[in-house]
Amino acid sequence: ETGVTQTPRHLVMGMTNKKSLKCEQHLGHNAMYWYKQSAKKPLELMFVYSLEERVENNSVPSRFSPECPNSSHLFLHLHTLQPEDSALYLCASSQALPLGTDSPEAFFGQGTRLTVV
Amino acid sequence: AQKVTQAQTEISVVEKEDVTLDCVYETRDTTYYLFWYKQPPSGELVFLIRRNSFDEQNEISGRYSWNFQKSTSSFNFTITASQVVDSAVYFCALSGYNDYKLSFGAGTTVTVRA
Repeated sequence: ETGVTQTPRHLVMGMTNKKSLKCEQHLGHNAMYWYKQSAKKPLELMFVYSLEERVENNSVPSRFSPECPNSSHLFLHLHTLQPEDSALYLCASSQALPLGTDSPEAFFGQGTRLTVV
Repeated sequence: AQKVTQAQTEISVVEKEDVTLDCVYETRDTTYYLFWYKQPPSGELVFLIRRNSFDEQNEISGRYSWNFQKSTSSFNFTITASQVVDSAVYFCALSGYNDYKLSFGAGTTVTVRA
């Protein structure tokens, strides 16, 4: 296993469904992120976890619920989504600590293409 | 607040031509990082290069080179002798030196024709 792995790659769900996106990193990083990429919009940061604690929540609706059980795994639980939530959801990890690290670059998974019908 | 602007929406070139991607940024941080990422059709964002704000030396890595000019807040990226496999969306990004968050530009779609 290498890098950052996301499952599933594609997901179609109804507005009343509950599903979860999974992300796993094998890079030994201490921070993990969820980004949303919608058509015609810049990448939006949704959540940041550092040392398994949520340090950022960018006004994301409560129908998105993140979970970080350990430094290698990150989940995004989805429920009662809307069609406008259809997007590519990207997970990333980085060595965010110590601050001012020499290797701050984030590494991304291939994303989950989510379609809400 | 941080802001990254990529004014070029799309660039189309013929194979072996050079491609230069423009990036202009705004930040109040005195030290920061700048990045370029590539997103091929598969969707994964691939890290290409990073530059620290206190190091303005421009470098070449294989067919990639970059021009960082702090005075004009620009971080341009050049692909030399482009290949069809270079076709992708390229993103410029910025983060503070003591910050977790990446601020991305809107991306530039590069199409390299055979």
